[in-house]
Amino acid sequence: AQSVTQPDIHITVSEGASLELRCNYSYGATPYLFWYVQSPGQGLQLLLKYFSGDTLVQGIKGFEAEFKRSQSSFNLRKPSVHWSDAAEYFCAVGLSFGAGTTVTVRA
Amino acid sequence: DSGVTQTPKHLITATGQRVTLRCSPRSGDLSVYWYQQSLDQGLQFLIQYYNGEERAKGNILERFSAQQFPDLHSELNLSSLELGDSALYFCASSPGDSPNEAFFGQGTRLTVV
Repeated sequence: AQSVTQPDIHITVSEGASLELRCNYSYGATPYLFWYVQSPGQGLQLLLKYFSGDTLVQGIKGFEAEFKRSQSSFNLRKPSVHWSDAAEYFCAVGLSFGAGTTVTVRA
Repeated sequence: DSGVTQTPKHLITATGQRVTLRCSPRSGDLSVYWYQQSLDQGLQFLIQYYNGEERAKGNILERFSAQQFPDLHSELNLSSLELGDSALYFCASSPGDSPNEAFFGQGTRLTVV
């Protein structure tokens, strides 16, 4: 069975600082991996996805994620955070979603 | 705008009642997925339909059912509603039968009183 763990419930970061959100998954085969962002009162927007090939994937809004099979991880990163990045971020494996990480951006 | 339309946006109903949530997928998408998002359970996959057929089933209660019609829109029926069914219900759609490019609607917020 697929499962997704996002160890950090809440992260606070200063505007302009880097951001890394952790995601670990459990899945037997090569997984379909996704990161979504949800702003308050909104639906989920796909940031990026990984199926195969280059393990470093680029997404929208300046985000990237790296697939590490040996660590069963698919961490999301952004070099410089903007205030508009404050939202909830979800990692997904196939149809299963993690619990989400809420990102707060301080000025 | 993801192109996925969910109606209604908000719904308030009493315990024991039955409601129907509707989803229109993006043009050309054959798969529809239903999710429930609540504070205590997070985002839970309920069910997937692909071109009118049930393709995958998640944590969907027996009181809940769904279907996808020939025009590819989908409905999620929730019956014998309980307070704990209060949640945000999302629909997503994708072109094929795997969620490789799933686009989410804005959700229907259901409040059971």
